[in-house]
Amino acid sequence: DTGVSQDPRHKITKRGQNVTFRCDPISEHNRLYWYRQTLGQGPEFLTYFQNEAQLEKSRLLSDRFSAERPKGSFSTLEIQRTEQGDSAMYLCASSLTYDSSGNTIYFGEGSWLTVV
Amino acid sequence: RKEVEQDPGPFNVPEGATVAFNCTYSNSASQSFFWYRQDCRKEPKLLMSVYSSGNEDGRFTAQLNRASQYISLLIRDSKLSDSATYLCVVKRDDKIIFGKGTRLHILP
Repeated sequence: DTGVSQDPRHKITKRGQNVTFRCDPISEHNRLYWYRQTLGQGPEFLTYFQNEAQLEKSRLLSDRFSAERPKGSFSTLEIQRTEQGDSAMYLCASSLTYDSSGNTIYFGEGSWLTVV
Repeated sequence: RKEVEQDPGPFNVPEGATVAFNCTYSNSASQSFFWYRQDCRKEPKLLMSVYSSGNEDGRFTAQLNRASQYISLLIRDSKLSDSATYLCVVKRDDKIIFGKGTRLHILP
């Protein structure tokens, strides 16, 4: 499978614990995005990378959130001291800097987080 | 005001009918436009890009009106399998911004 893959697919954690999600993008894609989606809402932008450089972070990304893409390939999203409001689906997506379709992005299946 | 606005629906439409969704965007610097489809508890998947001249893919037609900052999606001869949430997506610089989505239910 050469699509975007995310791990774990589901995570239940107690409030206050730390969680980490991993994303492996499509291999030739140099852009990687993280989004968060709650029920009834569209995906909300969190951050994105071009290769290993984190180019933009949303105001949604509080100090408890950190994302890395150390070698420009896979990325991790860590949430420290989780709160119930962090419960959501965390979506990773990747794209090329430019393609004929105007930067189509492809999503992974998402990582569902439930904070209890 | 959200940068990308859509009617959340739900649209309840009988099988075989034609249904149209609209989307407006607020930033005139937006460069590229897409419709994504999302099934319940699944990831969004690209349905089609939207071009200024309008484009068609089978039963789906997308239109863009840059002057009015408005995008539309028309589904003809709707099928039960078209039931999903349709997300309007706008690209501006390097940001890709989603609307909340419009829920569509096709009724047998």
